[in-house]
Amino acid sequence: SFVLTQPPSVSVAPGETARITCGGPNFESKSVNWYQQKPGQAPVLVIYYDSDRPSGIPERFSGSNSGNTATLTISRVEAGDEADYYCQVWDSTSDHWVFGGGTKLTVL
Amino acid sequence: QLQLQESGPGLVKPSETLSLTCTVAGGSIRSSLYYWGWIRQPPGKGLEWIGSIYETGTTYYHPSLKGRVTISMDTSKNQFSLKVASVTAADTAVYYCTASEAAQGHGYWGQGALLIVSS
Repeated sequence: SFVLTQPPSVSVAPGETARITCGGPNFESKSVNWYQQKPGQAPVLVIYYDSDRPSGIPERFSGSNSGNTATLTISRVEAGDEADYYCQVWDSTSDHWVFGGGTKLTVL
Repeated sequence: QLQLQESGPGLVKPSETLSLTCTVAGGSIRSSLYYWGWIRQPPGKGLEWIGSIYETGTTYYHPSLKGRVTISMDTSKNQFSLKVASVTAADTAVYYCTASEAAQGHGYWGQGALLIVSS
């Protein structure tokens, strides 16, 4: 089964840039979605189709996909960005969605 | 704006069947725009996609759950449902119902319903 690899944690100071990676085979042929989940809340879609933002998501959130790695970039990080972040792709070989294990973003 | 709300028993005994319903407001589940789905999250763990259903009735299930899971629609009530058979403690989780526009990801989520499997 398709496996997505994320770092368990990323730490960044306020105002700096956070980069959260998601690795998997043949990524260049897949679209990656990203979700933000704060404690006790449902996840929120922050990036779809590798780099598109749903309405209401700040421009500080951006995404890219190159080779075997997708990256969620959060610029000018704020305390309110502290959350778990999950990447997701569609595995077309067996028609199902796959999530990465999640990355906890800590704002120092 | 779509709104989704899960409902269910909260507690299920091992070996029984877990049943959850998602009520959709602000749109029709007969819409060709959306896939209606379920995602769960065991306590303290990550997200696991369970399955989805499209307005045609076509279903997609996670390979690890196929055979135990059934997702269905009730267009008269604008609801869709999840059944998980032969549950064990490993099925204890917060269950979310979602709506996704094809490959654009799950843009709409319910608030989540905690299901505990225990005797």
